[in-house]
Amino acid sequence: EPEVTQTPSHQVTQMGQEVILRCVPISNHLYFYWYRQILGQKVEFLVSFYNNEISEKSEIFDDQFSVERPDGSNFTLKIRSTKLEDSAMYFCASSPDRGYNSPLHFGNGTRLTVT
Amino acid sequence: ILNVEQSPQSLHVQEGDSTNFTCSFPSSNFYALHWYRWETAKSPEALFVMTLNGDEKKKGRISATLNTKEGYSYLYIKGSQPEDSATYLCAHRTSGSRLTFGEGTQLTVNP
Repeated sequence: EPEVTQTPSHQVTQMGQEVILRCVPISNHLYFYWYRQILGQKVEFLVSFYNNEISEKSEIFDDQFSVERPDGSNFTLKIRSTKLEDSAMYFCASSPDRGYNSPLHFGNGTRLTVT
Repeated sequence: ILNVEQSPQSLHVQEGDSTNFTCSFPSSNFYALHWYRWETAKSPEALFVMTLNGDEKKKGRISATLNTKEGYSYLYIKGSQPEDSATYLCAHRTSGSRLTFGEGTQLTVNP
């Protein structure tokens, strides 16, 4: 069964550094998402992306964050200047359409540790 | 209810027991309620997406019900098995594209 893949599985970076988290969504899916879970907290929405532009973003997704689909397969999340509080598990997800009954297909996540 | 809340936070049952847990969500501006199963070191896996009041869905020994008027959904597992051990997440969708998740119920099934 096709799946969403994320790399790397674990990324350690120093505060102030830029990181890029990578995702390959399921090939025929059209909607892409980033969610994150800070340890001990709820999974929270960051951004959704469709047709090469941001569809919706949360209050967390400030100017330090950006997303891109640089080619036909990858979907990336960039954090420009990481802070300690960016440490979290970041999940990429995709769905075939925007329908309200479409489930999200998640990747295994990238654990980001900012020191 | 302003947020998505799940109870209990964790649950330990014996193999063969049936169990259920609750998801509460805002009843206004409701579009869909998702249930996901999340095993350690794996990705969350969709179980059900429900959109209509009174919906009941079933997948094997797992079933779910939905009450959109009062803002709750129940997930039932009949005859729990050790492989059912996981965190069960519910998520509420309104008119936009985002899902708002609850904290999850961590289920442990002891053999």
